[in-house]
Amino acid sequence: DAGVIQSPRHEVTEMGQEVTLRCKPISGHDYLFWYRQTMMRGLELLIYFNNNVPIDDSGMPEDRFSAKMPNASFSTLKIQPSEPRDSAVYFCASSPSGSRVEQFFGPGTRLTVL
Amino acid sequence: GENVEQHPSTLSVQEGDSAVIKCTYSDSASNYFPWYKQELGKRPQLIIDIRSNVGEKKDQRIAVTLNKTAKHFSLHITETQPEDSAVYFCAENGIKAAGNKLTFGGGTRVLVKP
Repeated sequence: DAGVIQSPRHEVTEMGQEVTLRCKPISGHDYLFWYRQTMMRGLELLIYFNNNVPIDDSGMPEDRFSAKMPNASFSTLKIQPSEPRDSAVYFCASSPSGSRVEQFFGPGTRLTVL
Repeated sequence: GENVEQHPSTLSVQEGDSAVIKCTYSDSASNYFPWYKQELGKRPQLIIDIRSNVGEKKDQRIAVTLNKTAKHFSLHITETQPEDSAVYFCAENGIKAAGNKLTFGGGTRVLVKP
């Protein structure tokens, strides 16, 4: 398996533009997580899905952020409109079912909003 | 609510010495405590985990100890090497949360000086 796949790896955009980050989880994993990492706030959970259904989106910072998982092999995180403070590394992770299992992280998307 | 405190935030050790990182948590129902290592520019990866039915687990030069009464767990790295330089994150599953959600500590930046 190729592991968790994220695209793009780097994104530079201007304030006000729409940004879409993409994730393909490991095949067979029932859970998908979106995290944001910054120096100031560390690793924050934004939202996670179980069997394509959003379970907890309490970490989504504002209405400008939205996430979807239309099928078991694809998820998107959208920011619209983007702001400079959204600059961060966004990680997608997936895991199989079970409450004590490893989360496998993707390589991350480094987002810079100018 | 869920909270994981991690200390220290930075740790500098001489090659060959030991490094210890400690985390405290608040959810008494937590039963899974993983540790992730993140090298510079890379994704977090699981290095060791412990479940609540054991007090200690070892894997070569790394070990984790768990004190459920005091609600703290620690990562021990012995005979540190330059490749141990990274950011280390503790986490816990917090049974109050549904599914596989993990709450991460703030991270410890470890620098091993040759």
